[in-house]
Amino acid sequence: EIVLTQSPATLSLSPGERATLSCRASQSISIYLAWYQQKPGQAPRLLIHDASKRATGIPARFSGSGSGTDFTLTISSLEPEDFAVYYCQQRSNWPLTFGGGTKVEIK
Amino acid sequence: QVQLVESGGGVVQPGGSLRLSCAASGFTFSSYGMHWVRQAPGKGLEWVTFIRYDGSDNKYYADSVKGRFTISRDNSKNTLYLQMNSLRAEDTAVYYCAKGARLGELSSFDYWGQGTLVTVSS
Repeated sequence: EIVLTQSPATLSLSPGERATLSCRASQSISIYLAWYQQKPGQAPRLLIHDASKRATGIPARFSGSGSGTDFTLTISSLEPEDFAVYYCQQRSNWPLTFGGGTKVEIK
Repeated sequence: QVQLVESGGGVVQPGGSLRLSCAASGFTFSSYGMHWVRQAPGKGLEWVTFIRYDGSDNKYYADSVKGRFTISRDNSKNTLYLQMNSLRAEDTAVYYCAKGARLGELSSFDYWGQGTLVTVSS
């Protein structure tokens, strides 16, 4: 099973600041990584697929990068609605797995 | 627009059974693989199971549910199912159905339902 490790667990930032979230895979997954945003009481929302491709309707302030084992989600300038939990997920092999999540909270 | 609506959750005793349904609309259901993903209270996301677009025998399960859960679909009704048997306390979670984002098997999830809560408790 491919283990995804997200860091940090919590990120405390102010609106307008840049957020950098990390996801590391236990083995190479090429570019087969997605990022999701989840707000309390809501289903997750797909932000990025295949490491760097924004999903439909996702603002340009969200960007993804990386390949192999190291991946990054960057939010260039945090908006109030961006404070949430973010998960990465790999689709390189079965079983599909998620990282443990990074909570982006208001400082 | 794409809609996924789960139903069938509730409270069940350990060892009991439950069947979840997910009604799909807004896309060609019979063309996409479908998944169930769960989230225990206050915890992260866990992928549970996948079924191909045509419902063939090529299904995949997380080890934690293998042999107890069965995924199926009825393309004539645009509906996905999850039959859950021998339920355990650790199966307590919100269960989401999710649409595969691509036509292949291994995929991310581009649309999610609102989830249905399953509570396993005596």
